[in-house]
Parts: sequence; C-alpha cells; structure tokens
Amino acid sequence: AQSVTQLDSQVPVFEEAPVELRCNYSSSVSVYLFWYVQYPNQGLQLLLKYLSGSTLVKSINGFEAEFNKSQTSFHLRKPSVHISDTAEYFCAVILYNTDKLIFGTGTRLQVFP
Amino acid sequence: DADVTQTPRNRITKTGKRIMLECSQTKGHDRMYWYRQDPGLGLRLIYYSFDVKDINKGEISDGYSVSRQAQAKFSLSLESAIPNQTALYFCATRSVSNTGELFFGEGSRLTVL
Repeated sequence: AQSVTQLDSQVPVFEEAPVELRCNYSSSVSVYLFWYVQYPNQGLQLLLKYLSGSTLVKSINGFEAEFNKSQTSFHLRKPSVHISDTAEYFCAVILYNTDKLIFGTGTRLQVFP
Repeated sequence: DADVTQTPRNRITKTGKRIMLECSQTKGHDRMYWYRQDPGLGLRLIYYSFDVKDINKGEISDGYSVSRQAQAKFSLSLESAIPNQTALYFCATRSVSNTGELFFGEGSRLTVL
C-alpha cells in the first residue's frame, strides 16, 4: 500500500532563513506528488505538483520541490522564508490512474521574526 | 462567495446525537470528497463520490454515511455521534480533468461531548 511520511511535525525557522520540509513516499507503482498548504483557520490549497516531465517544480511564492525517484522523496524548499509562510504543509500522493489522494501527517512551519 | 461552502462551520453536540454536515460547490466539479483532520494524523479520507450515482468508501468510513443529493451537494452524516469523532471535517471537490488538485472548503469543526 502507498504511504506518505513527513518526518518533521514542526519546523521553526527565522525569517529570511532557508527551509526544507521533508517528504518520503512508498509505492510500487508510479505516483503523482503534491504539496498542499493550510493557513490558520483555512482549508488546504494546492502549492505545487509533480505529474511528469521536469523533476523540479516551483510555486508562485518561491517554494520548489524536487521529485527524486531513487530516494522516493519530494522535499519542499524555500531559500528565504517570510513570516507569511507560517502554515501547515502537507505532502500527498496519488497512484497513477486512481482517484484517492493520500496525505502525510503534515509539517507545521513557524517563521519567527 | 466561496467556491466550496460547508455548513455548519462549528458544532457542539452530545454523544448519540445525529449530525449532518453539508457541502455545496459552485465549481461544477463532478468529484467530491469528505476528509477528516486530526492533529498529528493529517487528513484521512472518509467518503468520495464521482457523481450522483457513484459513492465510494474511503479509509475511515465506519460510523459515517453520505448522500450526494445533486452534483453540487454532498452531505456527511454521523448517525450516532461519539467523542472520538471530534475533529475538523473538510469537503473538497475536483475536476475530472485536473489530476490531484482538490479545492477545499473552510472546514466544519465538530465537537462531540
């Protein structure tokens, strides 16, 4: 069965520092990969996704993630975080040709001034 | 107005009571989902529906039922609420043509005493 592991439940960081949120998945078949973000008191929204093609995908607000098939990882990075990036981030996978999106347990990113 | 609307946003009830959470969407999407969010557990899929006549169980459907009254409406019911159903519930929708991108409501916080 497929699963998603986010090892870090919380990541505290100072403003303008770089950050990496880790995500590993397990699946014996091809997957699509996603990062969702949940700001306080809101629903989740899609941050970025990997379906095919270039293994490096980017969001409009400076985040990027790289699909690494050999390490079964899809880590999220940002070179310089802002206070407004404080949120919970969820990694998710969906098996090719299925419809069920499976979420990780989430990583709470807290950016301090 | 939000594209995916959930009602009620907050509800406190007692053990044994019947509760219905409602979801309506204006995005015209065929696929609708109910997730439950618990701290440290991420989001878990309760039920999902491909269209009005196609409803499927997710990973934690026990104790829940759903009704897809129309393409735009998908309700979640707890026939006899119990305290461990206290959680934040999210409705989400997806277009058939857009792999993995779910659009979430703002959530319904349910407390069962």
